Amino acid sequence: RKEVEQDPGPFNVPEGATVAFNCTYSNSASQSFFWYRQDCRKEPKLLMSVYSSGNEDGRFTAQLNRASQYISLLIRDSKLSDSATYLCVVRSTNSNSGYALNFGKGTSLLVTP
Amino acid sequence: NAGVTQTPKFRILKIGQSMTLQCTQDMNHNYMYWYRQDPGMGLKLIYYSVGAGITDKGEVPNGYNVSRSTTEDFPLRLELAAPSQTSVYFCASSYDRGSYNEQFFGPGTRLTVL
Repeated sequence: RKEVEQDPGPFNVPEGATVAFNCTYSNSASQSFFWYRQDCRKEPKLLMSVYSSGNEDGRFTAQLNRASQYISLLIRDSKLSDSATYLCVVRSTNSNSGYALNFGKGTSLLVTP
Repeated sequence: NAGVTQTPKFRILKIGQSMTLQCTQDMNHNYMYWYRQDPGMGLKLIYYSVGAGITDKGEVPNGYNVSRSTTEDFPLRLELAAPSQTSVYFCASSYDRGSYNEQFFGPGTRLTVL
């Protein structure tokens, strides 16, 4: 079983729509959780960290369920500029490296006019 | 700050050739990483370093070597290139190993081995 699994996508949504991405992780010792955004042929960039209590940043809301080992990202009022691949990322202290990140394959989002 | 820079941006190698991918960061970060990203796949860790003179293997180190002689530079060496090493290579750095420390990525090097 892969350490981080995401919805395969792609998600095609109209501007203004609300879209949700899901992610599960297999290592119960995982400690830190993130959503990174990757534009086509670009490097990943941190979108937001995900905290146990859930957190919001503008139109973006992230939730973490440790019992179910499940992470979600909700995007409200989608913009054309939200089109990108969203990477679910988990950091586990008992991985090969205590410092590196484990990446999901990503979910592709296309927001259309 | 330029952040994390990588050279070259693109490279085509023949099987058996060698090359060094350069990575430099100007943020005075102690931690640096090399990842590879194959099409449609997540990033996989090749090597990492927790400071000058200290390196260690990640998930997929075979066929690669690294060195860390300075805080700023973390080159990745490919010896005897193989088609399986065709990938996009990202270098990243972070300030410390705190749980929520952000990793900053370079723009990547697209490598094709023919």
